[in-house]
Formats: sequence, structure tokens, C-alpha cells
Amino acid sequence: NAGVMQNPRHLVRRRGQEARLRCSPMKGHSHVYWYRQLPEEGLKFMVYLQKENIIDESGMPKERFSAEFPKEGPSILRIQQVVRGDSAAYFCASSPPSGGAHEQFFGPGTRLTVL
Amino acid sequence: AQSVAQPEDQVNVAEGNPLTVKCTYSVSGNPYLFWYVQYPNRGLQFLLKYITGDNLVKGSYGFEAEFNKSQTSFHLKKPSALVSDSALYFCADCSGGYQKVTFGTGTKLQVIP
Repeated sequence: NAGVMQNPRHLVRRRGQEARLRCSPMKGHSHVYWYRQLPEEGLKFMVYLQKENIIDESGMPKERFSAEFPKEGPSILRIQQVVRGDSAAYFCASSPPSGGAHEQFFGPGTRLTVL
Repeated sequence: AQSVAQPEDQVNVAEGNPLTVKCTYSVSGNPYLFWYVQYPNRGLQFLLKYITGDNLVKGSYGFEAEFNKSQTSFHLKKPSALVSDSALYFCADCSGGYQKVTFGTGTKLQVIP
């Protein structure tokens, strides 16, 4: 059973470009979470999605950031018009659909560098 | 608001000695507490969790944690540290609903040979 997959592992963008980060959850998992980790800091929650639904996006910046988890295919975190402050590691996690407080399984992350 | 605090940015311990990484929590209601480890340039790996039941929780790689309600703590422990335990450790809580995890700021563990 493959773990959570993220690609690309490293992404370099110039200011003003768009960044698209992809996450494929573990098999059987229907809950996806995105976190951002700035250098020397802990992880900050961004958004929680289920298939075709955004459940909680309270940690997502109001502008330039969006996320989706379509019926088919991976979850996408999209950052438009990137700025240097967007440089960070972005982690995706998934958990199973059943209730209760389950641990989340993390992908290896995408390291975004904005030049 | 739910929060967890890790008061130490870094912990140094000699190989073979016991280690403790501290975590305190502040949540309304019952806490759901986790420990994760992050190796350089890697994602987080789950170590253990406390939901209910025994206050002493055993996890992966010989780690354990003790839930202490009176001290609102959930310290991570290991009887004998290995150099390979050197990593960044995060305490977390997900009692805030929707399984949204609130992470502490992390503690860097350095095991000295």
C-alpha cells in the first residue's frame, strides 16, 4: 500500500508565476489536509478537504491560494502570482473516512522556492 | 482555542541515556494528542497517540508518552537514546474538530555519540 504521494518534490517559480502542488492520498483515504511549514517553524494547517468538498479552509490565505480534491485524481493546491514569502515546504496528509481521531499520514512534501 | 506548547527548541542527550521531550496542551474538552517525528527533508511520521485509556502510551521505535491531566502534559520519552533518534519532534492535538491538527513548534533532538 503506497503512502501519500506528493509531486513535485521540489518546485522553483519566479515571482508572479503559478505553482501547482499535487497530492495523492493513501489508498482508501478520503480525507486530505494541506499544511505549510516555513523555515525553522512548525506546520500550520491550511485546508481540509474531502472528495469534491472543502470542509475547512480557515488556515488558507484569502487571496491567491486555492485547493481542490476532485472526484477523480489527486488533490491540488494552487498558488497564483507567487511571492517570495510563499517559499516553504507544503505537506499533504490523508486519513481514513471513518470517524474518530485518527492519525494523519504525511507525504514527503513539496519544497517551493520563489525566486 | 486549542494549542500545544513545546517549551524546548532543542534537547541534547548522550547516546544510551534516557530522553524526554516536553509537551503541554491547552484545549477545551478532551485532548487527542499525538507525537510525530520529522527527519531532514522528509515528511512527518506518526509515533503515537493518546485518545483515551491508559495514561502511558507506547509507540514506534521504543518511544512512549505519558498523559498527565493534572499537569496538562504529554511528554515523550525513551529509556535509551540512539544517534538515529536525532530529528525534529512535534507534539500535536486534534480535538479542535474536523480532525484538524494543531502542531507545536517542534523540538530538535540531538543525540550525541
